[in-house]
Amino acid sequence: EAQVTQNPRYLITVTGKKLTVTCSQNMNHEYMSWYRQDPGLGLRQIYYSMNVEVTDKGDVPEGYKVSRKEKRNFPLILESPSPNQTSLYFCASSLLKQNEQFFGPGTRLTVL
Amino acid sequence: GDSVTQMEGPVTLSEEAFLTINCTYTATGYPSLFWYVQYPGEGLQLLLKATKADDKGSNKGFEATYRKETTSFHLEKGSVQVSDSAVYFCASSYNFNKFYFGSGTKLNVKP
Repeated sequence: EAQVTQNPRYLITVTGKKLTVTCSQNMNHEYMSWYRQDPGLGLRQIYYSMNVEVTDKGDVPEGYKVSRKEKRNFPLILESPSPNQTSLYFCASSLLKQNEQFFGPGTRLTVL
Repeated sequence: GDSVTQMEGPVTLSEEAFLTINCTYTATGYPSLFWYVQYPGEGLQLLLKATKADDKGSNKGFEATYRKETTSFHLEKGSVQVSDSAVYFCASSYNFNKFYFGSGTKLNVKP
C-alpha cells in the first residue's frame, strides 16, 4: 500500500531532551516536507527537500533540523525541544511532476 | 511575502445546502493553488488543484476556479452532505518550493 508513515504518533517529552520524528514513504517520491499545525494558524512549512541531499528552509525552520540521506526517509530532529514546539506535525511527499502531496497521519508532540 | 487567507469558521450548514469557502492569495507571480481536506484524526488529502489562471479544479462535487483578477480560489459545492464535514485548507505553491496554507475552515453539515 502506498503511504507515508510517521513515528511516533504521540510523544510527550521534556524541555531540552533531543528527539527525532521519523518519516518514510514507499512511493519513490522526490519531494518531501515537514509541517506543523497549530490552532488558528493552519499548516506552516518547516523544511522541505526536493531530492536526496537537497533540503531547504520553509517558513518556520528555527529549532528544527532535517536530513535526506535516502530518498524514502526524511527525519525531523529537535535538538533541544522547547514548549513552543508543542504541536501536531505532518510529513508529506510528492512526485515533482504530479504536484500532489500525500500526507502522513501526524505526530502529536507535547514538550513540557 | 506570499500568503493565503481563507474565511474563518466554523461554517454550519444543513444537508443539501450550497457551500462557499472563500480563499484569497497574495503572491509575486502566479502560483499553483490547492484545496486540501482534513477529516478528524487524519492527515490532509488533496481535494482539487489549479495550476494557471482560469483553470477550474473539480473533484467529488467540489469546484474552485483560479481567478487572477481577484487573486481568489473560492471552494464551492452545490449540495453538501454530512460526510463533507471536515476542515478545508487552501494552499499555494510555486514549482514545489515553499507551500503556503491558510488557517483552515471547519465545515459542519447537519442532517
